[in-house]
Amino acid sequence: QKEVEQDPGPLSVPEGAIVSLNCTYSNSAFQYFMWYRQYSRKGPELLMYTYSSGNKEDGRFTAQVDKSSKYISLFIRDSQPSDSATYLCAMSGPTSGTYKYIFGTGTRLKVLA
Amino acid sequence: NAGVTQTPKFQVLKTGQSMTLQCAQDMNHNSMYWYRQDPGMGLRLIYYSASEGTTDKGEVPNGYNVSRLNKREFSLRLESAAPSQTSVYFCASNTQGFADTQYFGPGTRLTVL
Repeated sequence: QKEVEQDPGPLSVPEGAIVSLNCTYSNSAFQYFMWYRQYSRKGPELLMYTYSSGNKEDGRFTAQVDKSSKYISLFIRDSQPSDSATYLCAMSGPTSGTYKYIFGTGTRLKVLA
Repeated sequence: NAGVTQTPKFQVLKTGQSMTLQCAQDMNHNSMYWYRQDPGMGLRLIYYSASEGTTDKGEVPNGYNVSRLNKREFSLRLESAAPSQTSVYFCASNTQGFADTQYFGPGTRLTVL
């Protein structure tokens, strides 16, 4: 079982839809949770960064962390064609005396105009 | 402020050839990382350098070597390239190691024939 599971998609939605992207994880030591956006043939860029459980909002983006369920989500409101990209979840925390930083495999999102 | 830069952008090698991928950052970051990204596998850490003068193995170090030349530069060397090393390689950097968000370069697309 992978430490971080993420549905690869692709996920196709019409413009203006609310998008929900999710990751599950197995390591309860993870403390920091990130969402990166990666456009085709580009490097990942940070979208959201949260510490521990709770919600964080930034414009049209909301990140949720539920540590009790080991589940994190990214919501995109009023989705735009420019949101079409691959979204990678990432998480980090202490494991066996060292620190781990693990990425999900990414979900491809396509927002149709 | 260029952020993280990588050279070359593309490279084709024959099996057994060697090459060095270059990475530089101008954000005064302490930590630097090399990842490879393969379809369905996500980003996997090859090597990292927590600070100038130190390097450590990541998840998939076999077949690679690294050099932290100074605070700005971190190179990745393939001594004898193999087709299994065909991938997209990303360099990243940050200030506070694995508890901190990472800033990625644009990537190097490597094909080994």
